[in-house]
Amino acid sequence: NAGVTQTPKFRVLKTGQSMTLLCAQDMNHEYMYWYRQDPGMGLRLIHYSVGEGTTAKGEVPDGYNVSRLKKQNFLLGLESAAPSQTSVYFCASGVPNQPQHFGDGTRLSIL
Amino acid sequence: TQLLEQSPQFLSIQEGENLTVYCNSSSVFSSLQWYRQEPGEGPVLLVTVVTGGEVKKLKRLTFQFGDARKDSSLHITAAQTGDTGLYLCAGAASWGQFYFGTGTSLTVIP
Repeated sequence: NAGVTQTPKFRVLKTGQSMTLLCAQDMNHEYMYWYRQDPGMGLRLIHYSVGEGTTAKGEVPDGYNVSRLKKQNFLLGLESAAPSQTSVYFCASGVPNQPQHFGDGTRLSIL
Repeated sequence: TQLLEQSPQFLSIQEGENLTVYCNSSSVFSSLQWYRQEPGEGPVLLVTVVTGGEVKKLKRLTFQFGDARKDSSLHITAAQTGDTGLYLCAGAASWGQFYFGTGTSLTVIP
């Protein structure tokens, strides 16, 4: 029972570098989400997707891009990493009006 | 601007004590969820409340949804060390987006 799997689990980047975070779910969920979690801020929604081929902006989308080419995968991209993007990133999946299932997070540090 | 405010932000209590965590908003939600998160892991759902005034009990945990569906509370009776963690509330907007609270970090001291 894999559920929601995030890769990588840890990453350190230099300012200006790019990278992609991968989220995979095996529950056939329509909805997928990317959040960032910072101390004292709770979870803030970056982008989300309500189905394959569709994406939408959340609360804090600037500096990030996403793609949902396959239903089971949701990719989060940082084109030019900045220190302000140092955070823990969580992916979640779900179905309408039902609770989300979360991955274990990706810890990203930007130097 | 945080849509959901939780209080207190930090709570440290002795094992066996009772506690209440609050989740407040000026917005109405179609449902509200409580999650618990442990270090190095993602949030795990505890309960979903849907109806205004609803009360749900999970063993020593009691969850209440406000009559106007804008606020909620989590009450823990006789806290145990295993209750230690970050508690998050999340309100569901009608079209599938969830808004998370700021979180309450609970430490139960043996």
